[in-house]
Amino acid sequence: DAGVIQSPRHEVTEMGQEVTLRCKPISGHNSLFWYRQTMMRGLELLIYFNNNVPIDDSGMPEDRFSAKMPNASFSTLKIQPSEPRDSAVYFCASSFLGAGQLEAFFGQGTRLTVV
Amino acid sequence: AQTVTQSQPEMSVQEAETVTLSCTYDTSESDYYLFWYKQPPSRQMILVIRQEAYKQQNATENRFSVNFQKAAKSFSLKISDSQLGDAAMYFCAYRAFWETSGSRLTFGEGTQLTVNP
Repeated sequence: DAGVIQSPRHEVTEMGQEVTLRCKPISGHNSLFWYRQTMMRGLELLIYFNNNVPIDDSGMPEDRFSAKMPNASFSTLKIQPSEPRDSAVYFCASSFLGAGQLEAFFGQGTRLTVV
Repeated sequence: AQTVTQSQPEMSVQEAETVTLSCTYDTSESDYYLFWYKQPPSRQMILVIRQEAYKQQNATENRFSVNFQKAAKSFSLKISDSQLGDAAMYFCAYRAFWETSGSRLTFGEGTQLTVNP
């Protein structure tokens, strides 16, 4: 398996523009997580899905952020409109929620810069 | 809510020496999992080692081992025979045991490890 695949790896956009980050989890995994990493706040969980259903989105900063998982092999995180304070590295991770399966596997992250 | 604390923002070690990174956590649960992840400059998050709280034996993975003190809620990582490739940011993470909580990870602030040649 190729692991968790995120695209793009880098994104530079202007304030006010819409940004869409994409994630393909590991095949067979049933949980998917979106994390944000900044110097100030470290690694924060934004939202996670179990069996394509959003379970907890309490970490989503505000209404400008939305996430979807239309099927087991694809998820998006959208920011509209983007602001400079959204600049961060966004990670997608997947895992299998079940006995004996413990660790989450991370993608390489998307570095977002909003200017 | 669970919290994870890494009190050492930075650590350094000489190549071939041993270094210990500290982590403490707070939880009211009795069953849970603990992890150490490594993030090199490539920013890929790589699992280093994991520990199940119900296991008394400390986990080991080659040069990496943990000192798990459940009563003290302490989970330190020891790296033996440090290599230049060990230089990275290290994150301690907690995961609840019960499925109703999901398998989300709560991370510490991270410790930046420098390995000096």
